[in-house]
Amino acid sequence: GIQVEQSPPDLILQEGANSTLRCNFSDSVNNLQWFHQNPWGQLINLFYIPSGTKQNGRLSATTVATERYSLLYISSSQTTDSGVYFCAVVPRNQAGTALIFGKGTTLSVSS
Amino acid sequence: GAVVSQHPSRVICKSGTSVKIECRSLDFQATTMFWYRQFPKQSLMLMATSNEGSKATYEQGVEKDKFLINHASLTLSTLTVTSAHPEDSSFYICSARRGLDTEAFFGQGTRLTVV
Repeated sequence: GIQVEQSPPDLILQEGANSTLRCNFSDSVNNLQWFHQNPWGQLINLFYIPSGTKQNGRLSATTVATERYSLLYISSSQTTDSGVYFCAVVPRNQAGTALIFGKGTTLSVSS
Repeated sequence: GAVVSQHPSRVICKSGTSVKIECRSLDFQATTMFWYRQFPKQSLMLMATSNEGSKATYEQGVEKDKFLINHASLTLSTLTVTSAHPEDSSFYICSARRGLDTEAFFGQGTRLTVV
C-alpha cells in the first residue's frame, strides 16, 4: 500500500521562528490533508490540498502531486502552534476510502 | 466545514464490560464513516470502514467480534467495544466526508480506559 512519510519527526522552535514540515508519499493521491492534533486529541483541519498552494493566515501549504510531496509552512510560530501535525492521503483510484496517515511531526514552540 | 460529533469524549469502564461510542454527522449525510484508533505518541490507524445499511469492513488484525460497528442511519455510526480489556485502552476517533473526493472531518475522539 501507499507509504506516507513525514519529516522531521520532532521540531523545537523559539516563538517567532518559521518552519517547514514535509510529507512524502509513495504513489499518486486523490486527496491530501494536513491536520493539527491539539493536546486534547482533537484533529483540526488545516488544509485540503491534493495539489497546488493554499494559505490561511500564518500557515500555508503546497502540494506538488507530480513529485509526490507536500509542504506545510508555519510562519511566526506561536506557543499555541505546539502539537502534532499529520499529513494524510487517499490513494488515487481509491476515491471514498479512508485517509492514510503519516507518523506526524511533533512541534514544540517555546516562549 | 462539516461537523462530526463523537460521544462520549472520555469513558472509564471495568474489564469485561462493553462500551458504545457514537459518531454523528451533524450537517450532512454520510453513507460511509471511518473508525481509527490511536495509541499514545503514535499515529492514527484505520480500524474499519462503516457502511450505512451493510456490514462494516475491518482492517487486517482488527477483531470484528470485539469491535462491533453499526451504521443504522446516514448520520450515525456506533462502535461497541465488547468485553473490554486493559489492552483496549486507547483513543478512538471517527471520520466522515460529504462526498467521495472531498475533505474528511473528524469527531472529537473518545479516550477509553479499561480498568
